[in-house]
Order: sequence, then structure tokens, then C-alpha cells
Amino acid sequence: AQTVTQSQPEMSVQEAETVTLSCTYDTSESDYYLFWYKQPPSRQMILVIRQEAYKQQNATENRFSVNFQKAAKSFSLKISDSQLGDAAMYFCAYRTALQGGSEKLVFGKGTKLTVNP
Amino acid sequence: NAGVTQTPKFQVLKTGQSMTLQCAQDMNHEYMSWYRQDPGMGLRLIHYSVGAGITDQGEVPNGYNVSRSTTEDFPLRLLSAAPSQTSVYFCASSYLDRLNYGYTFGSGTRLTVV
Repeated sequence: AQTVTQSQPEMSVQEAETVTLSCTYDTSESDYYLFWYKQPPSRQMILVIRQEAYKQQNATENRFSVNFQKAAKSFSLKISDSQLGDAAMYFCAYRTALQGGSEKLVFGKGTKLTVNP
Repeated sequence: NAGVTQTPKFQVLKTGQSMTLQCAQDMNHEYMSWYRQDPGMGLRLIHYSVGAGITDQGEVPNGYNVSRSTTEDFPLRLLSAAPSQTSVYFCASSYLDRLNYGYTFGSGTRLTVV
């Protein structure tokens, strides 16, 4: 079974600075998808960024980028020019690419990000 | 499009009571699921469905029932509420052939069992 580990329960960053959130995962599959979700105090789960395992190029969405190291099974999220609105829980998630298998998102336990003014 | 709609947003139950959490989506997603979120535990899968008439258990199914009679709706039933079921519940849906899209989540239901 796949597992996702977020080793940093809490992180803090100064406004306008850069922060990196860590995520590692364990799988025997070669094809899969990885996601970072943001959960602000409103409780809504918001997709931040996605990465296909077969793509070597790291995904980027505006100020958010990932460092995907497939061999190391690592998927970190970098937030540049941090803003107060980035304060939230961040969850790393894994999704199998196998069709017909047990379909689900496997989540890490989350990292609470605080942004200091 | 409304996306995924969950009702109610908040609920307080007494131990032993039953209730149904509603979930509806208007995106014609084949896949629907229920997760619970507890502090320090992330989100854990309760039940899921890959189409009308098809359901299966997830990681923490005990004490919950589901059914899927239509593509749009996927209600979660608590048969006899227990304090251990105090949690935030999320419904999520997805296409099955566009795996890189991730899931679309509802806004959650905060359930307290006293």
C-alpha cells in the first residue's frame, strides 16, 4: 500500500520570503500522480499543483513550484514570495495511475504553514 | 456549475442517533468518495464509488454506510453515532479517465457527537 509522509507538522515563513514543504512517499508503482492541496481556515480543499510521475520536468504554478525526485520518492513544494493568504494547512497526496485498481487519494498528515508579516 | 455540494455544514448528534450526510455533484464525475479529517491524521478514505450501483470500502468504513443510486448523489449514513465519529467529513469526486485532474472537494461537514 502507498504511504505519504510529511515530516514537518508546522512551518513558518516571513512575508515575501521563500519556504519549502517536504513530502516523501512510498510506492512500488512506476506511474502515478502527485498533488499538493491547500486548506485555509475556511476548510475548503484547494488544488495547488499537480505532477505526473512520467514527466521529468517539475511543475510550476505562478509562485508555487515542486521539486520532484522520482528515484528518491520525494515531492517538495516551494512557495516563493510568500503572502499572508498562503497561510493554511498543506497536504501532499498520491494517486495511482492504474486503471481498475483501488481508486483513492492517499494523503499525508499535513503541514501547517504560518506566514508572519 | 456548483461543483460538489455537501449538506449540512455543521451538525451535532447525540450518541446513538443516526443521520445522513448529503453529497451531490453536477460535473458528471464517475468517481465519488467520502473522507474524514481528524487532527494530525490527514484525510482518510471511508467509502468510495466508481459509478451508480457500485460502492466499496476504504480505510475506515466501520459505522458508515453508503449507496449510489444516481451518478450525482452519494450520501453517507451514520447508523448509530459514536463520539469517535466526531470529525470533519469531506465528499470528493473525480473523472476516472483524467487521473491527473485530482479530486474536487465539497466544503465539508463538521460533525460533533456528544
